Amino acid sequence: EVQLVQSGAEVKKPGESLKISCQGSGYSFTNYWIGWVRQMPGKGLEWMGIIYPGDSDTRYSPSFQGQVTISADKSISTAYLQWGSLKASDTAMYYCARQTSSINWFDPWGQGTLVTVSS
Amino acid sequence: QSVLTQPPSVSGAPGQRVTISCTGSSSNIGAGYDVHWYQQLPGTAPKLLIYGNNNRPSGVPDRFSGSKSGTSASLAITGLQAEDEADYYCQSYDSSLSGSGVFGGGTKLTVL
Repeated sequence: EVQLVQSGAEVKKPGESLKISCQGSGYSFTNYWIGWVRQMPGKGLEWMGIIYPGDSDTRYSPSFQGQVTISADKSISTAYLQWGSLKASDTAMYYCARQTSSINWFDPWGQGTLVTVSS
Repeated sequence: QSVLTQPPSVSGAPGQRVTISCTGSSSNIGAGYDVHWYQQLPGTAPKLLIYGNNNRPSGVPDRFSGSKSGTSASLAITGLQAEDEADYYCQSYDSSLSGSGVFGGGTKLTVL
């Protein structure tokens, strides 16, 4: 069974750094793209960016370029989303999901990681 | 403001048919990029409902169907059931955003 399992909920203070993870299993991790999607409280889905773990090719939405970093460690089938300095506005649920190509659909999705940034 | 425009809400009685529109432009849907649809039940992760404009993944009932024409796409749900009450999102890609993906703003379906 193809599965993406995300790291647990985080509570951080403004200005702190954070790295959340998404581990894939049940398929060849290096042959599929992994994407990240933000959902702010009570709001819709936002496409953040994608990475191809096979060669680390990474693409960002202009809205998120420079705000987050997407990376992957293919040796442990894990993708990451990280922030250097969190803001209260980063409070959201973050989902990872798999893609067969850089312009295709997301399936399956991880369970989500809730990030809360509050002083 | 989302690049793809969906109605904020639609509603229908059990057994009825509803449609959800997704309107884009010449740089996304109109440029030939496929449209995909997701269903998000309350408190859960989104789930793929329709891919490649009109294809259903295994396990998705044939009550759900998708179509695309010009710069728009639509999701149709027939034989509405209470369990269909959820948020629905369309997704595509946009050449004016460096080929980045885009989602519609989402539509809340209420089953009356």
